[in-house]
Amino acid sequence: DQQVKQNSPSLSVQEGRISILNCDYTNSMFDYFLWYKKYPAEGPTFLISISSIKDKNEDGRFTVFLNKSAKHLSLHIVPSQPGDSAVYFCAASESGTYKYIFGTGTRLKVLA
Amino acid sequence: GAVVSQHPSWVICKSGTSVKIECRSLDFQATTMFWYRQFPKQSLMLMATSNEGSKATYEQGVEKDKFLINHASLTLSTLTVTSAHPEDSSFYICSASFPGGNQPQHFGDGTRLSIL
Repeated sequence: DQQVKQNSPSLSVQEGRISILNCDYTNSMFDYFLWYKKYPAEGPTFLISISSIKDKNEDGRFTVFLNKSAKHLSLHIVPSQPGDSAVYFCAASESGTYKYIFGTGTRLKVLA
Repeated sequence: GAVVSQHPSWVICKSGTSVKIECRSLDFQATTMFWYRQFPKQSLMLMATSNEGSKATYEQGVEKDKFLINHASLTLSTLTVTSAHPEDSSFYICSASFPGGNQPQHFGDGTRLSIL
């Protein structure tokens, strides 16, 4: 039972354009969501998070949008840069559990 | 800079060997650390929650006698894969959060374990 899903295994975007990565979840008890970036043979690097009391959080080129009614979140990267090429994982958790459920990842390739 | 350090980064050993992986929080105290496992092209799966001074909490399906966790101090948790077999070959990653509230977990760089 995959509670967090990233339906696009890969995405290619031209440098300078917007990258949109999507994530869907099924558990309505999730109230904290995160995006991580991962390079091969390295651990994930935290990018941005959002609590369910918000619908948007922005940090520089990264913006996360949360649609609770649709149980959907997305990460927007603008402008995209070649260094953004990596695998992006979304994760969800319930407050107080500290347990993260990760999606399967989306491989982003930003073309120069 | 890195806030969680994991060692070793790569281990190759013979079947039947026990392997210890260390996870350290740098410059902060982590009462709780987490151990994940990732198979190729799959998601990170939580194996266990490591609690300082008490027993680890294992996820369903994870053998606690196979994957021994010790969290002896506020900055160090260890995972020992006992009598490792080829099916234990995987990428093991630990994480820790800064204390308080909804703090994101920060991950180590992982350990690639290959059992021959």
